[in-house]
Amino acid sequence: EDQVTQSPEALRLQEGESSSLNCSYTVSGLRGLFWYRQDPGKGPEFLFTLYSAGEEKEKERLKATLTKKESFLHITAPKPEDSATYLCPEVDAGNMLTFGGGTRLMVKP
Amino acid sequence: SQTIHQWPATLVQPVGSPLSLECTVEGTSNPNLYWYRQAAGRGLQLLFYSVGIGQISSEVPQNLSASRPQDRQFILSSKKLLLSDSGFYLCAHGRGLYEQYFGPGTRLTVT
Repeated sequence: EDQVTQSPEALRLQEGESSSLNCSYTVSGLRGLFWYRQDPGKGPEFLFTLYSAGEEKEKERLKATLTKKESFLHITAPKPEDSATYLCPEVDAGNMLTFGGGTRLMVKP
Repeated sequence: SQTIHQWPATLVQPVGSPLSLECTVEGTSNPNLYWYRQAAGRGLQLLFYSVGIGQISSEVPQNLSASRPQDRQFILSSKKLLLSDSGFYLCAHGRGLYEQYFGPGTRLTVT
């Protein structure tokens, strides 16, 4: 079972103020590190899967990176439409995703 | 491309009434299918998943049931709703185990 901890719980940014969200994990055999985005009233949207330390993936203003202990979701020059809850689900003992509360990101214009 | 449909979008039902929520997927065959529930301000709770027709695994004991009568159809049911069944119900299909794509959801209010 993978154990994943997200931080911070909430983050407020001004438009254009770059920052990072963190997802730290404690597992010896990582089956993958996943990032999802959820807008209010909608289901989560798959963003990235990272499998090995050093791996990076990008999508628009988002860049996900992975080290041996943690993953960062870097948000460059965020816009109000980037406001959402960003989720980093765990993989449980039954090989199912477990979605926690995530990080609530609010970007103010 | 793959599309996932859910209906209805919203539903208000009295306690003790039956429930049937439907989910269909287009553009893929033999997908893994999932039902999740999300209470207000909370994370997603996996209710059921299915790897094929007639194959249903339940994650949480409750008064809900699921069925998969066709390859791309997944149904969530209840014979008698409880107040605690209120929530946002999401169907998802999976590309592999961890890359999941969610439908628009059904917001259920039990009164």
